[in-house]
Amino acid sequence: SQWGEENLQALSIQEGEDVTMNCSYKTYTTVVQWYRQKSGKGPAQLILIRSNEREKRSGRLRATLDTSSQSSSLSITGTLATDTAVYFCATDAHNNNAPRFGAGTKLSVKP
Amino acid sequence: AQTIHQWPVAEIKAVGSPLSLGCTIKGKSSPNLYWYWQATGGTLQQLFYSITVGQVESVVQLNLSASRPKDDQFILSTEKLLLSHSGFYLCAWSPGLGTSAETLYFGSGTRLTVL
Repeated sequence: SQWGEENLQALSIQEGEDVTMNCSYKTYTTVVQWYRQKSGKGPAQLILIRSNEREKRSGRLRATLDTSSQSSSLSITGTLATDTAVYFCATDAHNNNAPRFGAGTKLSVKP
Repeated sequence: AQTIHQWPVAEIKAVGSPLSLGCTIKGKSSPNLYWYWQATGGTLQQLFYSITVGQVESVVQLNLSASRPKDDQFILSTEKLLLSHSGFYLCAWSPGLGTSAETLYFGSGTRLTVL
């Protein structure tokens, strides 16, 4: 799992496999956002899940949120080589409305 | 549609030299603007944010400064670069809706190498 103080996690899988990335956070949050950052690019939001939602889907993506354990997960089904990227979870900021980012999970999908 | 443009794409600079990075947001009035720094393999560290022209708040002290001279422009600068300034700098905007966690829209970043 990832959070800001932890080192970047790394996963390597074969194309077509399913994968789940986990994120735990320390303080209350109203939303968890998942971002994907491809090499040399800026991150882009994939999915936003609110504290009153337990699950949210978008295409091959599925995010879950468990507020009692302060954890979230992002699953990708039928991965493609183009899913290779670093995935960040992000929670509420304590100020200025910008989310706080976790350490990230580096996903490598081999064709 | 909104667009965000960062410049330059990459810089190689000497220790002690000045630096100026910029970004421009088109198609969105009065956005919140942010500068982030990312070490290789690292997470995103917020440096500055601005909710309006002329107003910039610092989040961490890294011997950098930021300014917002226009509604759609955000500048990051320093007079003297340090080796530790090397990394990937990202500008981002959010709609400024006042929610507790806004969606950020990032530029393509500037790769800075300080030698």
